Formats: sequence, structure tokens, C-alpha cells
Amino acid sequence: AQSVSQHNHHVILSEAASLELGCNYSYGGTVNLFWYVQYPGQHLQLLLKYFSGDPLVKGIKGFEAEFIKSKFSFNLRKPSVQWSDTAEYFCAVNARAGNMLTFGGGTRLMVKP
Amino acid sequence: DVKVTQSSRYLVKRTGEKVFLECVQDMDHENMFWYRQDPGLGLRLIYFSYDVKMKEKGDIPEGYSVSREKKERFSLILESASTNQTSMYLCASRIRDRSYGYTFGSGTRLTVV
Repeated sequence: AQSVSQHNHHVILSEAASLELGCNYSYGGTVNLFWYVQYPGQHLQLLLKYFSGDPLVKGIKGFEAEFIKSKFSFNLRKPSVQWSDTAEYFCAVNARAGNMLTFGGGTRLMVKP
Repeated sequence: DVKVTQSSRYLVKRTGEKVFLECVQDMDHENMFWYRQDPGLGLRLIYFSYDVKMKEKGDIPEGYSVSREKKERFSLILESASTNQTSMYLCASRIRDRSYGYTFGSGTRLTVV
């Protein structure tokens, strides 16, 4: 069965700091990879996804993620965070042979103004 | 925009009650999903449905059942609510193509007392 690990449960940054959130998955086959964000009091929204092609994926609000197949990783990055990026971030994997997403445990990001 | 609507934002139920959580989507999506979200555990799949009257167990189906009589509606049923089912319940939908992400509802926070 596939599983997803997010190493950091809580991250606190100051505005303008750079962000990198780790995500590793365990599945040997071909995968689709996703990052979702949940702002306080709001529903989960798709930030970006990787399906195929360029392993560096750009999403909304200046976020990007890099798929490194050899490391089974899909880390999320942003060069300069803003207070409005305070949210919980979830990495998710969909094995191509399967029908559903498996989510990581989430990372709560707090950005101090 | 696709809209996924969950009928209740907050629910409080007593132990042993039968509980119905309703989810409706308005964009003709084939796939629908029920997850529960708990701190530190991320989202865990309870059940999913890939078409009308079709259902598959997810990772944690015990104590739950589902119903999908119409394409737009996917109901989660707690046969006899217990305190360990206190959680945030999220409904999601997606077209059949697995490369697409889910669209989530706003969630139902269920408290079982």
C-alpha cells in the first residue's frame, strides 16, 4: 500500500523567509503527486500537481514543487513567504493503478508578520 | 467552478445515534470520496464511489457505510455513533481522470458525546 510522509508537523517562519516542506512517498510505480493547502476555516484547495514531464512544477501563489523520482520526494517550496501563507499543507499521492489519493499527515505553517 | 456542498458545518450527536452526512456535487463528477481529518493523521479515506450505486472501502471503513443512489449525491452513514468518530469529515469529488485533483467540500465537524 502506498503511504506519504511529511516530516515537519509544525513550521514557524518570519515573513520573507524561504520555505521548503518535505514530502516522501512509498510506492514503486508511476504516481501523480499533489499539494493541497487549507487556510484557517476554509476548505482544502489544490496548490499544484505533477502528472508527467518537467519535474519542477509551478502552482498558484508563487509555490513550486520538485519531483525527484530517485528520492521518492515531492518537496514544496516558496522563495519568500507571506503572512497570508499561514495554513496547513498536505502532500498527496495517487498511484496510477489506483483510484484514490493518499494524504500525508499535514504540515502546519505559521508565518509571523 | 465545481462546487461540493456538505449539508452541515457542525453536528453534535449522542453515542449510539445513527448519523447521516450528506454531500452533493454539481459538476457531474463520476468519483466521490469521504475522508476524515484528524490532527497529525492527515486525511484518511473511509469510502469512495466511482459511479452510481458503486462503492469501495477505503482505509478505515469500520463503523461506516455509504450510499450513492444518484450521481451527484454521496452519503456517509455512521450506523451507531461512537466518541472515537468525533472528527472533521470531508467529502470530495473528481472526474474519472486520475490526473485531476479532488474538489473538496467545506467539511462537517462531528462531535459525538
